[in-house]
Amino acid sequence: AQKITQTQPGMFVQEKEAVTLDCTYDTSDPSYGLFWYKQPSSGEMIFLIYQGSYDQQNATEGRYSLNFQKARKSANLVISASQLGDSAMYFCAMRFQGAQKLVFGQGTRLTINP
Amino acid sequence: DSGVTQTPKHLITATGQRVTLRCSPRSGDLSVYWYQQSLDQGLQFLIQYYNGEERAKGNILERFSAQQFPDLHSELNLSSLELGDSALYFCASSVTRDSHNSPLHFGNGTRLTVT
Repeated sequence: AQKITQTQPGMFVQEKEAVTLDCTYDTSDPSYGLFWYKQPSSGEMIFLIYQGSYDQQNATEGRYSLNFQKARKSANLVISASQLGDSAMYFCAMRFQGAQKLVFGQGTRLTINP
Repeated sequence: DSGVTQTPKHLITATGQRVTLRCSPRSGDLSVYWYQQSLDQGLQFLIQYYNGEERAKGNILERFSAQQFPDLHSELNLSSLELGDSALYFCASSVTRDSHNSPLHFGNGTRLTVT
């Protein structure tokens, strides 16, 4: 069965530092997509970044990048130069070819300290 | 702004009652998904509709039902409500039916409190 694991329930980082949020997954499907979402305290779910299983390069979107290590089945989110507004819950999620749903990890609560 | 609209934003009701949550997907998106987020269960997939037809079912209770209308908006009906149904209910939409490279775009959610 496909599964997403986020091992860090909470992280505390100083403003302007880079932060890495861990995500590992388990699947035997060759085609899949990996996604990261941000959920601020206001509750909305914001799509951040996508990585396809066949993509040769790591995805980047502004200050967000994805450290994709396919052999290790990990897809860690890297946030560079963290800001106070980055404080939120972050969810790693996975979607499989032919599958309807997005499967989510349990999330990591990131707190940026001034 | 994701482009997905959910109403109402908050809903407070009593046990045993019935409520309807409404969702308008992003323009051009044919797929609508409903998720439930609770503290103990995390984000749980409930159901998906594609172009008006039910496509997939997840952990949706028999007391819950949904539909997608010809204009592609969707409604989630929750009946015989219990305290444990209190949660944040998300609607999401995507362009495709089941492509693994298509993200889901989420609305702001409806926070349901059952008292």
